[in-house]
Amino acid sequence: NAGVTQTPKFQVLKTGQSMTLQCAQDMNHNSMYWYRQDPGMGLRLIYYSASEGTTDKGEVPNGYNVSRLNKREFSLRLESAAPSQTSVYFCASSEFFPYSNQPQHFGDGTRLSIL
Amino acid sequence: QKEVEQNSGPLSVPEGAIASLNCTYSDRVSQSFFWYRQYSGKSPELIMSIYSNGDKEDGRFTAQLNKASQYVSLLIRDSQPSDSATYLCAVILTTFSGGYNKLIFGAGTRLAVHP
Repeated sequence: NAGVTQTPKFQVLKTGQSMTLQCAQDMNHNSMYWYRQDPGMGLRLIYYSASEGTTDKGEVPNGYNVSRLNKREFSLRLESAAPSQTSVYFCASSEFFPYSNQPQHFGDGTRLSIL
Repeated sequence: QKEVEQNSGPLSVPEGAIASLNCTYSDRVSQSFFWYRQYSGKSPELIMSIYSNGDKEDGRFTAQLNKASQYVSLLIRDSQPSDSATYLCAVILTTFSGGYNKLIFGAGTRLAVHP
């Protein structure tokens, strides 16, 4: 009963490097999300995918791209990492997009440091 | 003004006492409210949801909602050291200008329950 699985759990990058964070859910949820969490700022939405085949920007999309590979998988890519992107990244999923009263289920997070 | 506000704490309570966590929000027409618990270094975990004015009880947890005052709270009865965590309030805020209804998280209140 894995729920939402994120890889990797930890990563250190140098400024300018690129990488992709992977996320997969096994709950047959339609909607998936990428958040970043910084001290004192709460969770901020980077990108979301309301359903398979669609992606849209959240509050803080600059410097990121996403791909909804299929219903299960939603990846987040940093094309040219910057120190300001040092954060903890969480992937989440919900049965439907939050027009309805749907809570979100979170993965364990990826702790990313950009040097 | 932040859209969802919480006192960062720490809120320190003795074991067995009632812990009261508060959250205010800016959108008068919000309909859905959630409380997440996040242990240090872990992902947020949904513990309560509430959609109607009044109280909702689940075990030792009670969520209270007052839409007129734009206020939602979480009471934890018989607090235990294992309740020590950060509690995140999340609100679905209605967007009328197009786009999506946003799920906005507060920055969280850190609760410390001491023996």
